[in-house]
Amino acid sequence: NAGVTQTPKFRILKIGQSMTLQCTQDMNHNYMYWYRQDPGMGLKLIYYSVGAGITDKGEVPNGYNVSRSTTEDFPLRLELAAPSQTSVYFCASRPGTSGEVETQYFGPGTRLLVL
Amino acid sequence: GQNIDQPTEMTATEGAIVQINCTYQTSGFNGLFWYQQHAGEAPTFLSYNVLDGLEEKGRFSSFLSRSKGYSYLLLKELQMKDSASYLCAVMDSNYQLIWGAGTKLIIKP
Repeated sequence: NAGVTQTPKFRILKIGQSMTLQCTQDMNHNYMYWYRQDPGMGLKLIYYSVGAGITDKGEVPNGYNVSRSTTEDFPLRLELAAPSQTSVYFCASRPGTSGEVETQYFGPGTRLLVL
Repeated sequence: GQNIDQPTEMTATEGAIVQINCTYQTSGFNGLFWYQQHAGEAPTFLSYNVLDGLEEKGRFSSFLSRSKGYSYLLLKELQMKDSASYLCAVMDSNYQLIWGAGTKLIIKP
């Protein structure tokens, strides 16, 4: 299994541009998450999904959108990039089938710089 | 509000023992996680505590006191590869993880 994969690894955007951060998992996990991590800060939840077709806002959703058309993919869309969105973005997933607390598995991250 | 506190940075010597503390105030509690994060990499799971007491896993141990809202991660026989950030995260009543800012651990020879 490749686990959780993210593309691109690094991207520079100009203010006002848009882009999609890709996230794919091959573990058949139901739950998927998008976090951002600013330097010296903890991870902040942007959006999450409990299954295909279902998404919900996290702590910091403004300026982002997501979709979950398949179990495997959970892309994150930035419509009008702003310098405040400069961060490292992590996608994560967990099974969501046992009814018990499960650990999350993280992708390698996407570093985004908005200038 | 929800809050998780950990020291920003700690320094220890190779071969020694270090304890990283975490205190939390969250809306509900469904367990506490410790993750390790090397610079420029993703967090990786270390331990999970939901009941009071000590969980031991090799050189790493994690302790939880729910009444005190307190946990610590104990690293023994420190190795240079243990230089990393250690993130404390609490699962709240909505089963979402609330993350601390992380403790950067510097290991000196």
